[in-house]
Amino acid sequence: GIQVEQSPPDLILQEGANSTLRCNFSDSVNNLQWFHQNPWGQLINLFYIPSGTKQNGRLSATTVATERYSLLYISSSQTTDSGVYFCAKITYNNNDMRFGAGTRLTVKP
Amino acid sequence: DSGVTQTPKHLITATGQRVTLRCSPRSGDLSVYWYQQSLDQGLQFLIQYYNGEERAKGNILERFSAQQFPDLHSELNLSSLELGDSALYFCASSVGTGLARNEQFFGPGTRLTVL
Repeated sequence: GIQVEQSPPDLILQEGANSTLRCNFSDSVNNLQWFHQNPWGQLINLFYIPSGTKQNGRLSATTVATERYSLLYISSSQTTDSGVYFCAKITYNNNDMRFGAGTRLTVKP
Repeated sequence: DSGVTQTPKHLITATGQRVTLRCSPRSGDLSVYWYQQSLDQGLQFLIQYYNGEERAKGNILERFSAQQFPDLHSELNLSSLELGDSALYFCASSVGTGLARNEQFFGPGTRLTVL
């Protein structure tokens, strides 16, 4: 079945540091999305990124579909970046979505 | 505030019972998505509706069903509840039809506890 693996499972940073989160997927994708769940449980859609690179402020994402991975970069991290980051792969027929287990990020002041 | 509302916020019930979770999408959004988040299974996509029609189906159990009404609100019905159904159930909405290219806006979730 579809496998989505995220690493690292946990990450602790000091405010101002940069980080890279990785998402590996087992087969080809139609699309890949990144989500952030804040410590209060609210989910936010960060990027949909089937290939290439996108940037939104201090966050950027790159997907290399041929090598079956995606990276989420967080620069100059802030305490508000804390939470869990999920990637999700969407099947080619666009009718299913599978999530990774998430990376729990803690940014300390 | 995403503009997506879910009721109730919390629900406590017993095994074997049936419950209904409600979701109102953002104004103008035609798609509604349902997700389950539990400690055991993580985050799972359940089902998507677009303008009243089912469009995508994920890991939804046969005991669960959903529908989207003409006013675009959606309900997720969970029946013959088991302890393992205890989870946070999220609803999301988007303007477009597909899972792939539409930014989804999430509600705050309904926390279901089955005792």
